[in-house]
Amino acid sequence: NAGVTQTPKFRILKIGQSMTLQCTQDMNHNYMYWYRQDPGMGLKLIYYSVGAGITDKGEVPNGYNVSRSTTEDFPLRLELAAPSQTSVYFCASLDRSYEQYFGPGTRLTVT
Amino acid sequence: QKEVEQDPGPLSVPEGAIVSLNCTYSNSAFQYFMWYRQYSRKGPELLMYTYSSGNKEDGRFTAQVDKSSKYISLFIRDSQPSDSATYLCAMIPPYGNKLVFGAGTILRVKS
Repeated sequence: NAGVTQTPKFRILKIGQSMTLQCTQDMNHNYMYWYRQDPGMGLKLIYYSVGAGITDKGEVPNGYNVSRSTTEDFPLRLELAAPSQTSVYFCASLDRSYEQYFGPGTRLTVT
Repeated sequence: QKEVEQDPGPLSVPEGAIVSLNCTYSNSAFQYFMWYRQYSRKGPELLMYTYSSGNKEDGRFTAQVDKSSKYISLFIRDSQPSDSATYLCAMIPPYGNKLVFGAGTILRVKS
C-alpha cells in the first residue's frame, strides 16, 4: 500500500492565484482530513470528510474548498491565495481503530 | 481554554536521559489516546496508542494515561539523538470522527 499520497510537494503561488492540492489514499478509509501546520502552532483542521459526497468544515475553513467524489481522493482547493495561507498542508485518513495516517505534506508559499 | 494543552518546548536533553512529555485535557469523554512523532519536514506518524487509563510499553517508550487527572504522558528511556523530533499528543472520544491534537513538543537530544 502507498498509504496517503499528496502532490505537489512544494509550490510557490502569487497572491490571488488558485491551486488544488491533491490527496489520495489506498486504504479504503472513509474518513479523510486536511490540516495546516504553522511553526509552533500544531495542526489546525481545515476540512474533513466522513465518506464520499460528505464534507464538513474544521477550525479554519475560510479561503479553502474541498470535494469528495470518491473514497480515495480528497482534493483541497485554494481560491485567491493570500500570504496568510503560507503553510505546510497535510492530508490524513483515519482507520476504524482511530489510527490516523498522514501524507508527506505540501509546502506552500504565497508571495 | 484549549481542549488539549501541551508545552511546545523546546525540551533539550543529553543522550541517555529519560524524557517525559505530557499533555492535559479537559474533555472527560476522551477514551483513545495517541502519541505521534514528527521528524522535520515529514508528516506525523503514530508512535503509541492507548485506550482508557493505564500504562503501555513498547521498547524504550512508555505511554501513561491518568483519566482521573486528565493527564497523559510519554516517557522515553535512554534517549537517542534519533529521537529528536516533535511529539504530538492526540485523543478522541468513542465514535468520534476527529482527533484533537496538542500543539506538539519539540525534543532535542544532544550527543
